[in-house]
Amino acid sequence: ILNVEQSPQSLHVQEGDSTNFTCSFPSSNFYALHWYRWETAKSPEALFVMTLNGDEKKKGRISATLNTKEGYSYLYIKGSQPEDSATYLCATGQDSNYQLIWGAGTKLIIKP
Amino acid sequence: KAGVTQTPRYLIKTRGQQVTLSCSPISGHRSVSWYQQTPGQGLQFLFEYFSETQRNKGNFPGRFSGRQFSNSRSEMNVSTLELGDSALYLCASSLRPNYGYTFGSGTRLTVV
Repeated sequence: ILNVEQSPQSLHVQEGDSTNFTCSFPSSNFYALHWYRWETAKSPEALFVMTLNGDEKKKGRISATLNTKEGYSYLYIKGSQPEDSATYLCATGQDSNYQLIWGAGTKLIIKP
Repeated sequence: KAGVTQTPRYLIKTRGQQVTLSCSPISGHRSVSWYQQTPGQGLQFLFEYFSETQRNKGNFPGRFSGRQFSNSRSEMNVSTLELGDSALYLCASSLRPNYGYTFGSGTRLTVV
């Protein structure tokens, strides 16, 4: 059974500081790794979809890296702002199975 | 373009009743997934449809069912409602499975 782990479970960061967190997943039969941001009272919003080992994606102050051989992805936020407060979810899919398996998320709280 | 539309937004039902939730995906999106989110839990996968075929089903009892129509609109049905079915039900659509998903605003179901 696929298990996607995210760490830490929650994180408090001072405004202006940079931060990162981890998504770990089984490396066998890897197909894609998704990152989503879920703000309170809103719907999850897609950030990145990565498929290749060594992939790096960037969207403004947020970037992500992918290591499919060892089964992890990092999400980085540079110069955290209050609007970055959200739960960040990762999910992975295998090529033999279209079902995305989701991690429990990292809840990020930015302190002004 | 219009986003993913879920109806109704809020619903209160009594134990033992049944309920049908609706999801209209983004135009052109043929993959529709359903998720359940309860307090303290991450996203729990219910099922995914692609071109009217159920591709995958999560670990939920048979009381939970769904279908997809030729216009890609999808419905999910829960029969014989239980108190534990109270949750936020999210629908997400995508061009194809394992591609970036766009989520709807969800249907908040309360079973009393």
